[in-house]
Amino acid sequence: DAKTTQPNSMESNEEEPVHLPCNHSTISGTDYIHWYRQLPSQGPEYVIHGLTSNVNNRMASLAIAEDRKSSTLILHRATLRDAAVYYCILTSNTGKLIFGQGTTLQVKP
Amino acid sequence: DAGVIQSPRHEVTEMGQEVTLRCKPISGHNSLFWYRQTMMRGLELLIYFNNNVPIDDSGMPEDRFSAKMPNASFSTLKIQPSEPRDSAVYFCASSFQSSGADTQYFGPGTRLTVL
Repeated sequence: DAKTTQPNSMESNEEEPVHLPCNHSTISGTDYIHWYRQLPSQGPEYVIHGLTSNVNNRMASLAIAEDRKSSTLILHRATLRDAAVYYCILTSNTGKLIFGQGTTLQVKP
Repeated sequence: DAGVIQSPRHEVTEMGQEVTLRCKPISGHNSLFWYRQTMMRGLELLIYFNNNVPIDDSGMPEDRFSAKMPNASFSTLKIQPSEPRDSAVYFCASSFQSSGADTQYFGPGTRLTVL
């Protein structure tokens, strides 16, 4: 399974946009890019996923580089409830999720 | 839908005892996954099923661990005998299928403490 690289932690101010980067230079042509997040004391929660094109949903946007070797999760207006560990995961045709260490996002009021 | 249901939510047992964790996936989902989370190792995939059949159990730590899915609505993860190093939060997740595009929905987890 291809690996991803994320910063260990990031900080943001409430009501400001947050850009969470992810590098995946060994991605294969059929790998999807998934983002999950885990709030304190909860199970992981799906955020967004994409293959080649940028994606938007009610939670976030996903910007995928043209060569697909990196992507960025965008939270348009961070709230205190967005403080969590964010995981960037590549999924092959098996759908297995291989979690790395993720990025711990702190949101300051 | 109630989401993925796991029971018990908390389990405290003594070393050597048998532990059974239970999971009810979302109705209509055909794939089920068991994960374990510890501070040291993070989130690890233990095993997953497609249409009640185990597909990949390479993450199961050792023979003390076993998982079954007797029907589409129920799965168990059993540890026998349990050891203190098995203390962790165990998550169950389900998805419609196990493809790269599918979303997994996680349960609230079972926090296991082995004394």
